Amino acid sequence: SQQGEEDPQALSIQEGENATMNCSYKTSINNLQWYRQNSGRGLVHLILIRSNEREKHSGRLRVTLDTSKKSSSLLITASRAADTASYFCATGGRGKLTFGKGITLSVRP
Amino acid sequence: SAVISQKPSRDICQRGTSLTIQCQVDSQVTMMFWYRQQPGQSLTLIATANQGSEATYESGFVIDKFPISRPNLTFSTLTVSNMSPEDSSIYLCSVEWGLSSYNEQFFGPGTRLTVL
Repeated sequence: SQQGEEDPQALSIQEGENATMNCSYKTSINNLQWYRQNSGRGLVHLILIRSNEREKHSGRLRVTLDTSKKSSSLLITASRAADTASYFCATGGRGKLTFGKGITLSVRP
Repeated sequence: SAVISQKPSRDICQRGTSLTIQCQVDSQVTMMFWYRQQPGQSLTLIATANQGSEATYESGFVIDKFPISRPNLTFSTLTVSNMSPEDSSIYLCSVEWGLSSYNEQFFGPGTRLTVL
């Protein structure tokens, strides 16, 4: 069964704006990871947040985790055209990750 | 983090043929995995490539269709056998990095396969 479900499924914003993407999951987790995929290429690992963490930052990325609501959000601040990609959340471990369907982000120049 | 390379990056194949995809990691890793991403879909785990023993397949995937080799701790191959157009997908190699229970998982650049 699908563990991660992202929303919205597609997001279009203007360059410079912030983009917020949400992920919900069904069962308890050890950690949650966010990935970016450009034009059907490989996945780029963005960030891992542990179940005992509530917020994590990496450059222009901010990830939050609310285990009581079984949800996570990825915020990209000051978006750039190069951020145009699909974004996935994934739960699980030991290599056995379960992915959501992904969010397609378009950043208009 | 681990740097992962895959060959080929893409291929167009005829139905009924087989293709072997190679995955090379720049460091020794215990666990390597193969995933499939069908067009417009998310990723699905095919199998865990075990060094020195047979791969462990997920439900819906069988060794005859997707034989896997793992001769050492930095290399693995996935073969897609007797291909049909339904096998057109991106195939990705992946490794788990770290020794804790919060290990990051990294992916290769993928192999885009089109079966005619």
